Amino acid sequence: GESVGLHLPTLSVQEGDNSIINCAYSNSASDYFIWYKQESGKGPQFIIDIRSNMDKRQGQRVTVLLNKTVKHLSLQIAATQPGDSAVYFCAENNGVFGKGTRLSVIA
Amino acid sequence: ETGVTQTPRHLVMGMTNKKSLKCEQHLGHNAMYWYKQSAKKPLELMFVYNFKEQTENNSVPSRFSPECPNSSHLFLHLHTLQPEDSALYLCASSQDRLPVEKLFFGSGTQLSVL
Repeated sequence: GESVGLHLPTLSVQEGDNSIINCAYSNSASDYFIWYKQESGKGPQFIIDIRSNMDKRQGQRVTVLLNKTVKHLSLQIAATQPGDSAVYFCAENNGVFGKGTRLSVIA
Repeated sequence: ETGVTQTPRHLVMGMTNKKSLKCEQHLGHNAMYWYKQSAKKPLELMFVYNFKEQTENNSVPSRFSPECPNSSHLFLHLHTLQPEDSALYLCASSQDRLPVEKLFFGSGTQLSVL
């Protein structure tokens, strides 16, 4: 299965550059957030999460930032690689997903 | 391999057909979900099951009928669908019911209704 045809915001970055993907949420009571990556032909897969008592969490090449004041999340990918090309979703722990952003990496 | 297997991967059906989508998880999880992914709404939660019991139905039309015979298997029975039901149907599972920290998704069934 593919997410082809989805009319999503698209971010195009050069290979090796850093990528920043943004997400806004509406429920101020949400206490846990997750980023998923969906590659072509696959379902979404977990990347990184963050609890509301934190404002930053780092993984391998990825960092998630949380700004509860403006209800905003961002996913930063360092040294973006062609394999990072995918659709990225933020989600709350109630199973509700954001609209998604398509990341295209230019080699 | 996520541990969640969906079949078939692709399905084409007419509006008068009856078909079923199958999902199986090998993770020992207690909760399973159906999501719809389309161009209009990227990921819509349709149904939630916890220990075989349906705990959530997000106003899904009755032409979609879920079945969960046990914690490892989930079906979506389709009947008299409309062309606008064409979408990618994703199954997911989690250790416990919502709210939950992580969902594990299958690769989906790409459905086309003619």
